[in-house]
Amino acid sequence: AQKITQTQPGMFVQEKEAVTLDCTYDTSDQSYGLFWYKQPSSGEMIFLIYQGSYDEQNATEGRYSLNFQKARKSANLVISASQLGDSAMYFCAMREFENSWGKLQFGAGTQVVVTP
Amino acid sequence: EAGVAQSPRYKIIEKRQSVAFWCNPISGHATLYWYQQILGQGPKLLIQFQNNGVVDDSQLPKDRFSAERLKGVDSTLKIQPAKLEDSAVYLCASSLAQGLAKNIQYFGAGTRLSVL
Repeated sequence: AQKITQTQPGMFVQEKEAVTLDCTYDTSDQSYGLFWYKQPSSGEMIFLIYQGSYDEQNATEGRYSLNFQKARKSANLVISASQLGDSAMYFCAMREFENSWGKLQFGAGTQVVVTP
Repeated sequence: EAGVAQSPRYKIIEKRQSVAFWCNPISGHATLYWYQQILGQGPKLLIQFQNNGVVDDSQLPKDRFSAERLKGVDSTLKIQPAKLEDSAVYLCASSLAQGLAKNIQYFGAGTRLSVL
């Protein structure tokens, strides 16, 4: 069964606008972590933001924020004030702590294109 | 601080040939991961090392793939013999230790393998 679902294969966003990337996850663990990574065309996966399942506040890192809705099992990434350099693939990933050795399980990704 | 180094960046081989990829993790990182990323998909874990011991190789096709991490630092991933379906990007990642809750994995730029 798919653990991480990203339903938007691609999105266009105008420069300086905000964009929300959807991510839903499936786990029976009480303790888990959610990660977002950015993958530019160069190929390297760049860590953006982390949310732990017990964190009460939504995570923020600069222009990135995570809209964590635990009951709905969703962890959407919000990028504010988009820049041309934000054009990339974005992956949501989950690590289940109770029966895992730290393995990250990734979604299929969302391609974001920022236009001038 | 130097990031995760991988080589080569690109490799083209014919089916049934063998190929090897090399990874040097971030200094001090005990945990090393190899992922396979097929075009249009998220990365999938092949094998995870803690120091020089294997902790998860459940998704490694062991009839043709092998990996080692001698001395708990550098690692090599080998495919022998290669099949057409092995065409993918092979990503190496490292993290401080698998026991940490946040346990951010830092990725290299990957090796893009084409099997003809």
